[in-house]
Amino acid sequence: EPEVTQTPSHQVTQMGQEVILRCVPISNHLYFYWYRQILGQKVEFLVSFYNNEISEKSEIFDDQFSVERPDGSNFTLKIRSTKLEDSAMYFCASSWGTGELFFGEGSRLTVL
Amino acid sequence: QKEVEQNSGPLSVPEGAIASLNCTYSDRGSQSFFWYRQYSGKSPELIMFIYSNGDKEDGRFTAQLNKASQYVSLLIRDSQPSDSATYLCAVGGSSNTGKLIFGQGTTLQVKP
Repeated sequence: EPEVTQTPSHQVTQMGQEVILRCVPISNHLYFYWYRQILGQKVEFLVSFYNNEISEKSEIFDDQFSVERPDGSNFTLKIRSTKLEDSAMYFCASSWGTGELFFGEGSRLTVL
Repeated sequence: QKEVEQNSGPLSVPEGAIASLNCTYSDRGSQSFFWYRQYSGKSPELIMFIYSNGDKEDGRFTAQLNKASQYVSLLIRDSQPSDSATYLCAVGGSSNTGKLIFGQGTTLQVKP
């Protein structure tokens, strides 16, 4: 069964460092997303991406964050200068249309 | 602020019973409604989706939607200990970008 894959599964970084989280969406999907979940809290929308551009972003997704689809398979989330409050599980998701989203296993980011 | 509300629980039911999980949402323009299951430390897994008023059944699961009351529910029949998880209600907005707004989740405990 096709699945969304994410790397790394866990990344530890120092405050102020840049991190890149990588995702390979399901191959025939057209819509790509990043969500995050701080421990014990809700799953929060960060950004949606369609047709090689951001279609919607949340207030959380400020200038520190960027997304890219550098080739036909990868979808990346970059955090330029990490803060302690960026520590969370980051989930990539994809969908064929604006319907059912399928999530990857997540990348846990710990900022020290 | 568009909100999705769930009782955080825990909801405890005996094995074999029906578990009833409820969700309300604030955005009357919402068009799509999803139930995800999330085991501790894992990613959300899609269980059901519903777009029209009424009931939708899939195996032991029934999703119910009442747009007038802005209410979505999930019934799990013949609950099993393996159903013990957090159930997330997610609502698609009216923006048609595929963005989902998640509730806090209801923790279900099925006791053998």
